[in-house]
Amino acid sequence: ILNVEQSPQSLHVQEGDSTNFTCSFPSSNFYALHWYRWETAKSPEALFVMTLNGDEKKKGRISATLNTKEGYSYLYIKGSQPEDSATYLCAFYGGGGADGLTFGKGTHLIIQP
Amino acid sequence: EAGVAQSPRYKIIEKRQSVAFWCNPISGHATLYWYQQILGQGPKLLIQFQNNGVVDDSQLPKDRFSAERLKGVDSTLKIQPAKLEDSAVYLCASSFQAVYGYTFGSGTRLTVV
Repeated sequence: ILNVEQSPQSLHVQEGDSTNFTCSFPSSNFYALHWYRWETAKSPEALFVMTLNGDEKKKGRISATLNTKEGYSYLYIKGSQPEDSATYLCAFYGGGGADGLTFGKGTHLIIQP
Repeated sequence: EAGVAQSPRYKIIEKRQSVAFWCNPISGHATLYWYQQILGQGPKLLIQFQNNGVVDDSQLPKDRFSAERLKGVDSTLKIQPAKLEDSAVYLCASSFQAVYGYTFGSGTRLTVV
């Protein structure tokens, strides 16, 4: 069973502050690492798919980095806004014929005005 | 493009009753997944279809859960009989290739009482 860990489990951040959280995953048989944002009552939305060690991706105020050798990824949010409140899920993809993702439990982010 | 459609959005049933969920994936996406997300946990893969064939159902509790994807398009997931521990959000997702990310539906929130 693959172990994908996310920390912290929940996070309260003041509006305007920047924040970051972590996803750790197996460093062997790595193929891709996905980040999703899941707002209440909506569909999980793909943020990033990262495949290369050292990858850095950015989407507006959100960015992510990837270290496949040590098995971790960071997600950063700059200047948090209330609309950033959501659960952020990371998911590990090890390739192979069955390509289901293994998800972490998520980081529940609440932005306080 | 239209998203992944799921229905119903919410369902409340008594234990030992049956329930079925429906999913219509993105047009052209050959791969379809059903995930179960229990409160406080990450989504867990139940079953993966490639067209109308099952690729992975290793975590599907086959004594009570069944799924089909007739004609390689729509899919239904059935629980019969339901148990209290089946209370969860059931997410359907589809992908062209997993490495490029999934598109999720908005999920069905099942409560078994």
